[in-house]
Amino acid sequence: NAGVTQTPKFQVLKTGQSMTLQCAQDMNHNSMYWYRQDPGMGLRLIYYSASEGTTDKGEVPNGYNVSRLNKREFSLRLESAAPSQTSVYFCASIGEATNEKLFFGSGTQLSVL
Amino acid sequence: RKEVEQDPGPFNVPEGATVAFNCTYSNSASQSFFWYRQDCRKEPKLLMSVYSSGNEDGRFTAQLNRASQYISLLIRDSKLSDSATYLCVVHPTDSWGKLQFGAGTQVVVTP
Repeated sequence: NAGVTQTPKFQVLKTGQSMTLQCAQDMNHNSMYWYRQDPGMGLRLIYYSASEGTTDKGEVPNGYNVSRLNKREFSLRLESAAPSQTSVYFCASIGEATNEKLFFGSGTQLSVL
Repeated sequence: RKEVEQDPGPFNVPEGATVAFNCTYSNSASQSFFWYRQDCRKEPKLLMSVYSSGNEDGRFTAQLNRASQYISLLIRDSKLSDSATYLCVVHPTDSWGKLQFGAGTQVVVTP
């Protein structure tokens, strides 16, 4: 049981380049999330998806797009990367039962030069 | 004011000692509370949920004080392996999209 698989683990981009971070979960969870974590700050929600085919903006959505094409996969796209998007990105998923825990992917360290 | 606040620390703790720290939240309608542990540059992992009556898991004790709007985590008999950042997570509504994270409290256990 792999849980949440997130790729790539590391990425360096030049300003203006685009890329997609991939995330997949095999736990049949409906809800999936993309967070970013910057030094000294908590995880901030970029986008989330409560179910297949639906997405909603989180706290810091600007500069990002997401796609939830099926129940397993939730991708995050940076269309034109900026240095301010240098961060560690985490994908996560959760089941719907009360107090069910949040499962995280192993993270993507992204640097935008 | 942040919705979830934690003392960033670091809390430097001798091995075998007890350490405790709090997390305050601003939304009185918050329903669920959790402590996650995060090791350097790795993904957060659930340490324990926090129940209204307080709960214990081995050397870890979590408490909830709804009147003062804070949760606490106490670690007894600290081990070197307890060195990590502890994240407070608050769920303010019945929408899982609204989970809120504190910035974390760093704990460093020294020999």
